[in-house]
Amino acid sequence: AQRVTQPEKLLSVFKGAPVELKCNYSYSGSPELFWYVQYSRQRLQLLLRHISRESIKGFTADLNKGETSFHLKKPFAQEEDSAMYYCAFQTGANNLFFGTGTRLTVIP
Amino acid sequence: DVKVTQSSRYLVKRTGEKVFLECVQDMDHENMFWYRQDPGLGLRLIYFSYDVKMKEKGDIPEGYSVSREKKERFSLILESASTNQTSMYLCASSLRGRHTDTQYFGPGTRLTVL
Repeated sequence: AQRVTQPEKLLSVFKGAPVELKCNYSYSGSPELFWYVQYSRQRLQLLLRHISRESIKGFTADLNKGETSFHLKKPFAQEEDSAMYYCAFQTGANNLFFGTGTRLTVIP
Repeated sequence: DVKVTQSSRYLVKRTGEKVFLECVQDMDHENMFWYRQDPGLGLRLIYFSYDVKMKEKGDIPEGYSVSREKKERFSLILESASTNQTSMYLCASSLRGRHTDTQYFGPGTRLTVL
């Protein structure tokens, strides 16, 4: 079955420290992968997608097909990065499969 | 700027009541989705629609139905609300195309069933 796993429900890091939010997927083909973010009292929104190979708000994510991972990384965490992060993937259809989410808290 | 609106931010209903959650998008998107968001479970897809009058079951359709009479509007219906349907409900929309496209989410409706 298709599945996205985010092993950490909660993650706390100090401001300025590196942060890595883990995401592993289970799919035999080549999925499209995304990270969505929900800041406090805001709606869920796209942070980045692997196909764009972009860096958004200092975050990057590399697709590792060998490890079937798409971890989200930032070298220096900021307080405003505190949010709920969801990894998601999409196959041929238009619907997304979401992970269970990781709540990131950046400690000042 | 895509705007997805949901009819209510907070809703309190009683067990057995029929509940309508409305979602409207203003960007002429073909695809619309209903999710529920629960702590520790993430987002789970209830139903989605690729076009007017079309609907497809998601991962957890039991106890729900949907209606898409107009392109911009996608309604989620709880025929007989139960306490285990207390949740945050999120609507989303996206363009249909060969390539994947961003889903744009509404602000959510927090439904409490007593």
